Amino acid sequence: QQPVQSPQAVILREGEDAVINCSSSKALYSVHWYRQKHGEAPVFLMILLKGGEQKGHEKISASFNEKKQQSSLYLTASQLSYSGTYFCGTSDLTDSWGKLQFGAGTQVVVTP
Amino acid sequence: NAGVTQTPKFRVLKTGQSMTLLCAQDMNHEYMYWYRQDPGMGLRLIHYSVGEGTTAKGEVPDGYNVSRLKKQNFLLGLESAAPSQTSVYFCASQESNQPQHFGDGTRLSIL
Repeated sequence: QQPVQSPQAVILREGEDAVINCSSSKALYSVHWYRQKHGEAPVFLMILLKGGEQKGHEKISASFNEKKQQSSLYLTASQLSYSGTYFCGTSDLTDSWGKLQFGAGTQVVVTP
Repeated sequence: NAGVTQTPKFRVLKTGQSMTLLCAQDMNHEYMYWYRQDPGMGLRLIHYSVGEGTTAKGEVPDGYNVSRLKKQNFLLGLESAAPSQTSVYFCASQESNQPQHFGDGTRLSIL
């Protein structure tokens, strides 16, 4: 079953923060986060594995709440380059080797 | 260092025609995937492979076939194209629990 992302879209001014959530009804093994710019391929941001760790990439970080089967992506002090569509991909315990189901995406627009 | 290469990049077909999309990776990855991406629906898995000579169905396999005769190549076939198959197709490759690496996509229109 496809994970649910929220919000569907967010508009930010440069320097503002945002949070994108990814929830699943299944017990998760891993959560991947990707960013896709218009007309391009998705680009990997980070992986979070079962265990609730938090990771960071520049001023983008993420957490994984194992009890809630939820991951959150934090965009801090947003830059124009952060614009794009963010996807979470999740693997459950039966596909722990890496097959992912992707959410529908969250469109992020950062304005000057 | 090409990564994942998809050919062709664009194609227009007529209903009922057949074609094959090619995906090639040079990272010696075991796992390969074919996705389709439609507006507002994210990436949906069509077929995947866990190694040379193996294939399996994903979420939306109807109307597509795949083959993986060589580890580096994963082919997606449309036997009789339908307008509902108009989409952007992405191939990806991966090692176990590592990031998926995506090709640049194939934009396919079926008239």
